[in-house]
Amino acid sequence: GAGVSQTPSNKVTEKGKYVELRCDPISGHTALYWYRQSLGQGPEFLIYFQGTGAADDSGLPNDRFFAVRPEGSVSTLKIQRTERGDSAVYLCASSLGDGDTQYFGPGTRLTVL
Amino acid sequence: GENVEQHPSTLSVQEGDSAVIKCTYSDSASNYFPWYKQELGKRPQLIIDIRSNVGEKKDQRIAVTLNKTAKHFSLHITETQPEDSAVYFCAASKGSNFGNEKLTFGTGTRLTIIP
Repeated sequence: GAGVSQTPSNKVTEKGKYVELRCDPISGHTALYWYRQSLGQGPEFLIYFQGTGAADDSGLPNDRFFAVRPEGSVSTLKIQRTERGDSAVYLCASSLGDGDTQYFGPGTRLTVL
Repeated sequence: GENVEQHPSTLSVQEGDSAVIKCTYSDSASNYFPWYKQELGKRPQLIIDIRSNVGEKKDQRIAVTLNKTAKHFSLHITETQPEDSAVYFCAASKGSNFGNEKLTFGTGTRLTIIP
């Protein structure tokens, strides 16, 4: 079946602009995660949804970052007033339920000029 | 919070030899330990995982061992092949017992298999 998909695959923006990154989880997966991966590093947790609600948003670096999952499926990560330090690959993962294997999407490479 | 350390950062082995990557974690409440393989520009892919109720798990050429007392776990790849070349990440999670599913990743090991 189809895996986790993310759009766009690449996003180049200017400092101060607003961006939205989209994640389509595997059908039927109730849990969805956002991670951020900088060059040469492991993924770092941002936020976790169980259904429509954010069960853990402790990884969001500041209030410029926000994520939603209004219908318990697709999720959007929103970044306001982007900064050069936000440049990274943003990975989405989904799992069938609590404690199950997390399957990753291909990521969105965000470049802030 | 949880801290996961991974060693070595780079590893080169001759084709056919074995490779071992080691990780330590800090939070004794962690109970789920997956390993992901990531090829350049690709998504991380799960290759094996272990939960805290077992000490070892094997899948063909890949095995993972867990020592909960010492808080460390290791990935073993035997009979290495060129397609094993990639970056490998270990991770730890407290799992559903704590309602905390997030994975904390190590910094990765770049494995190169020399033909």
